[in-house]
Amino acid sequence: QKEVEQDPGPLSVPEGAIVSLNCTYSNSAFQYFMWYRQYSRKGPELLMYTYSSGNKEDGRFTAQVDKSSKYISLFIRDSQPSDSATYLCAMSPTNTGNQFYFGTGTSLTVIP
Amino acid sequence: DGGITQSPKYLFRKEGQNVTLSCEQNLNHDAMYWYRQDPGQGLRLIYYSQIVNDFQKGDIAEGYSVSREKKESFPLTVTSAQKNPTAFYLCASRAIGQGDQPQHFGDGTRLSIL
Repeated sequence: QKEVEQDPGPLSVPEGAIVSLNCTYSNSAFQYFMWYRQYSRKGPELLMYTYSSGNKEDGRFTAQVDKSSKYISLFIRDSQPSDSATYLCAMSPTNTGNQFYFGTGTSLTVIP
Repeated sequence: DGGITQSPKYLFRKEGQNVTLSCEQNLNHDAMYWYRQDPGQGLRLIYYSQIVNDFQKGDIAEGYSVSREKKESFPLTVTSAQKNPTAFYLCASRAIGQGDQPQHFGDGTRLSIL
């Protein structure tokens, strides 16, 4: 079993829709959770960074962590065509180590 | 502008040839990382370094080598021993010793075989 599972999609939504992107994980030691956005032929760009359980909001983006279910989500409100990209989740057991575990990414297309 | 610069964007390797990918950061980050990204797979760690003149193997270090002579630079050499080098290579860095800090990435180098 992979440490981090992420549905690759592709996911296609109309402009203005609410998007939900998800990852599940198996290691209960994970405490730090990240979401990255990656445009084609570019490097991943950090979107959200959260610690432990709960919600964190930044503009149109909300990151949610449910440690009891080992499940994290990224919600995008009022989706825009510029949100079309691949979204990667990542996680780590500590903030001092060097092991980060990445999902394979979900490809999202927002249709105008 | 602070950031991580990878060069070149595209690189071609002939059989039996070593090639070096450049990664430079001006973020004053101590830790630097090299990942390989293949379609349908998560990022896989090749090497990382937390301090100048010291580096550690990641999960897939075979066929690769690195150096860390300066804090801002962490070049990756793909040697002829790496039999399947075609991939997108990503360099990352992060601050350490200052609480929880995530990784930031460069824009990658795409390596192909001629």
